[in-house]
Amino acid sequence: DTEVTQTPKHLVMGMTNKKSLKCEQHMGHRAMYWYKQKAKKPPELMFVYSYEKLSINESVPSRFSPECPNSSLLNLHLHALQPEDSALYLCASSQALVGSTDTQYFGPGTRLTVL
Amino acid sequence: GENVEQHPSTLSVQEGDSAVIKCTYSDSASNYFPWYKQELGKRPQLIIDIRSNVGEKKDQRIAVTLNKTAKHFSLHITETQPEDSAVYFCAAIGGGSQGNLIFGKGTKLSVKP
Repeated sequence: DTEVTQTPKHLVMGMTNKKSLKCEQHMGHRAMYWYKQKAKKPPELMFVYSYEKLSINESVPSRFSPECPNSSLLNLHLHALQPEDSALYLCASSQALVGSTDTQYFGPGTRLTVL
Repeated sequence: GENVEQHPSTLSVQEGDSAVIKCTYSDSASNYFPWYKQELGKRPQLIIDIRSNVGEKKDQRIAVTLNKTAKHFSLHITETQPEDSAVYFCAAIGGGSQGNLIFGKGTKLSVKP
């Protein structure tokens, strides 16, 4: 099974709402990633977890809060977002630690619209 | 840090022709170069990758070549089909401790029937 799943597929939220994005993988991967992708642009790395610990935070605003409850799950908590945060949010996982040459597998993404 | 340049940004070919997309990278310590295909509204999907200990890798109609001296790598698609139409991203993992995937800006490939 080489699948990463994400829920929800689509999310519309107001600027005062709090919502969460969820990502799950059952490949035994120990590194998990959050990316943001705007239209016609490549994915931009936001956060990396390695062995359930936050390894990289690419200077992401605090209105995005990641969480890794266990080795299979990755959440992204959203609060007080801005319209410019509207994008496709992609989760990915890879077998081993950051810095390896292991393949990253992407989930289908959550299409987020902030009104 | 690593920087990846990708050309061309758009590419239109006739069905059956070959397509070539080229990328250059800046960090000579980079050692992993994947290519992702992304169809409209879908996830990026790995189509082929190459590690720095090989110069070429082939998988049916798709091949990737790597020139470490010149710091460039290329994707070759032969006998293109309409279903090859998508955005293709090259990427590199930098040699530094971070090991982040650094993406090129993408190439929109259109294959005309």
